[in-house]
Amino acid sequence: QKEVEQNSGPLSVPEGAIASLNCTYSDRGSQSFFWYRQYSGKSPELIMFIYSNGDKEDGRFTAQLNKASQYVSLLIRDSQPSDSATYLCAVKGSSNTGKLIFGQGTTLQVKP
Amino acid sequence: DVKVTQSSRYLVKRTGEKVFLECVQDMDHENMFWYRQDPGLGLRLIYFSYDVKMKEKGDIPEGYSVSREKKERFSLILESASTNQTSMYLCASTRPPPQGLEQFFGPGTRLTVL
Repeated sequence: QKEVEQNSGPLSVPEGAIASLNCTYSDRGSQSFFWYRQYSGKSPELIMFIYSNGDKEDGRFTAQLNKASQYVSLLIRDSQPSDSATYLCAVKGSSNTGKLIFGQGTTLQVKP
Repeated sequence: DVKVTQSSRYLVKRTGEKVFLECVQDMDHENMFWYRQDPGLGLRLIYFSYDVKMKEKGDIPEGYSVSREKKERFSLILESASTNQTSMYLCASTRPPPQGLEQFFGPGTRLTVL
């Protein structure tokens, strides 16, 4: 079992719809969870991070964390074509090094 | 603004050559990381460093070494490049926990080994 798993997609949604991206992780001691967006040919950039169970909202983006189920998700409301990218889930484990474990990423396509 | 720079955006080398990839960050970050990214495999950690002259192996260190002589600079070395090391290489930096949250990435170096 991979340490951080994502469906590679592509996930295709129409413009204006809600895109839901999911991620599961295997280390129960994981402390922090990150969502990065990566446009084709570019490097990853942080969208959101979450530490506590529940929802965290930032503009059109909502991160959801359920530690009991070892599940983290990212919702994008009112999806725009500019949201088309690969979304990487990253998990900081129980070590104290700042090391992140990345999922393979989900490619999102928002169709006009 | 945090800035992480990498020495080259594109690099073409021949099998057996020694290759140096350099990364420099200007935010006085203690932790620095080297990843490679391949289609379908995501980001895989090669090496990381949490202080000058300190380094730890990541998940795929074979065929690579690193050097961190100064805090701002972290170099990845391919001792004898092979075709299976053709990849996108990404450097990142962050402060250590608990301050360190976000890893800041450089623009990447696309390396082709012929």
